Amino acid sequence: DQQVKQNSPSLSVQEGRISILNCDYTNSMFDYFLWYKKYPAEGPTFLISISSIKDKNEDGRFTVFLNKSAKHLSLHIVPSQPGDSAVYFCAAKVTLKLIFGQGTELSVKP
Amino acid sequence: GAGVSQSPRYKVAKRGQDVALRCDPISGHVSLFWYQQALGQGPEFLTYFQNEAQLDKSGLPSDRFFAERPEGSVSTLKIQRTQQEDSAVYLCASTTFRGPITEAFFGQGTRLTVV
Repeated sequence: DQQVKQNSPSLSVQEGRISILNCDYTNSMFDYFLWYKKYPAEGPTFLISISSIKDKNEDGRFTVFLNKSAKHLSLHIVPSQPGDSAVYFCAAKVTLKLIFGQGTELSVKP
Repeated sequence: GAGVSQSPRYKVAKRGQDVALRCDPISGHVSLFWYQQALGQGPEFLTYFQNEAQLDKSGLPSDRFFAERPEGSVSTLKIQRTQQEDSAVYLCASTTFRGPITEAFFGQGTRLTVV
């Protein structure tokens, strides 16, 4: 039972354009959502988070949107840069655990 | 060290062999987590320590998996009688926070291959 789903395994975007990564969840008990970025042969690094009581959080080029009624969150990267190419995981927190999605591989082409 | 350190980086084990994976968290970090990441999947929770206390081990897939953190710093994940389905990257994460893993720092992982 996949509680956090990232339905797009990959995404390709032109440099300077917007990247939109999507994530759906099923458990309404999740109280915090996070995005992690992972380069090959490295561990995931924290990118941005949002509390379930908010609908938007912005940090520089990165914005996360939360739509609780649709149980959907998205990460927007504007403008996209080649260095953003990585695997992005969304994660949801319940009690002490993080539940991760399967990841979306973003490729930003110059 | 500056970050979470895991060793070994790579481990090849013959089926049936026991393995031990080590995690050195960031100094002073209270909480420590182990995750298992299969190929093409997201990390899956295995277990959580607060200092030396193992507060949640609900994600350990079988009784062949055992984790400890006896002095509240270094942790070891042990897998007995390894099987092919144990092949994965094992990630360790630590955080200063007591519980919430909002900004946990992950190590580079140990890639275990069981042949």
